[in-house]
Amino acid sequence: GDSVTQMEGPVTLSEEAFLTINCTYTATGYPSLFWYVQYPGEGLQLLLKATKADDKGSNKGFEATYRKETTSFHLEKGSVQVSDSAVYFCALSDGRDTGRRALTFGSGTRLQVQP
Amino acid sequence: NAGVTQTPKFQVLKTGQSMTLQCAQDMNHEYMSWYRQDPGMGLRLIHYSVGAGITDQGEVPNGYNVSRSTTEDFPLRLLSAAPSQTSVYFCASSLRGGRETQYFGPGTRLLVL
Repeated sequence: GDSVTQMEGPVTLSEEAFLTINCTYTATGYPSLFWYVQYPGEGLQLLLKATKADDKGSNKGFEATYRKETTSFHLEKGSVQVSDSAVYFCALSDGRDTGRRALTFGSGTRLQVQP
Repeated sequence: NAGVTQTPKFQVLKTGQSMTLQCAQDMNHEYMSWYRQDPGMGLRLIHYSVGAGITDQGEVPNGYNVSRSTTEDFPLRLLSAAPSQTSVYFCASSLRGGRETQYFGPGTRLLVL
């Protein structure tokens, strides 16, 4: 079945450092790929997404490129802020029309940004 | 719009008790789903619904029931709570699921003693 693998956390960075959170996936068909963010005490919210190979999703300074050849969707940000401290989830949606239409999530990566 | 709302925010149950977690959305979304979040395991799908009157099982359905009598509401019932059901539960909705953005509620934290 489909699966998503994320790097283990927590990731601890100083403010203005460069961020990379690795995400690779296994899926049949042509999935869409997502990054969701969970701030402390809140539900998940969409950060960015890409629906086909070579698409780049971007939002709030974060970027991720859908790489079909390496089955990856790594999240990057050039300069992190304390307010970026959160848990980040990589996810995919089934590219086949199976009816379930649900998301498959990675285990999440906690980011801690220190001033 | 209130978006996706969930009640209660926190609940403590004893083993064997039953309860219903409420979920409602005001965005006229067809697709709704329930996930549980456990440390180190991400979110796992419990049940989902593609429209009123239609529900189906997800990855971890045992011990849970759902119904979808209206577009807006999608309650999750725990029939006989077990300590293994201690978790954080999230409800989500989207227009049709799949490639579309899913909107999550704030979550219900459940502790089963």
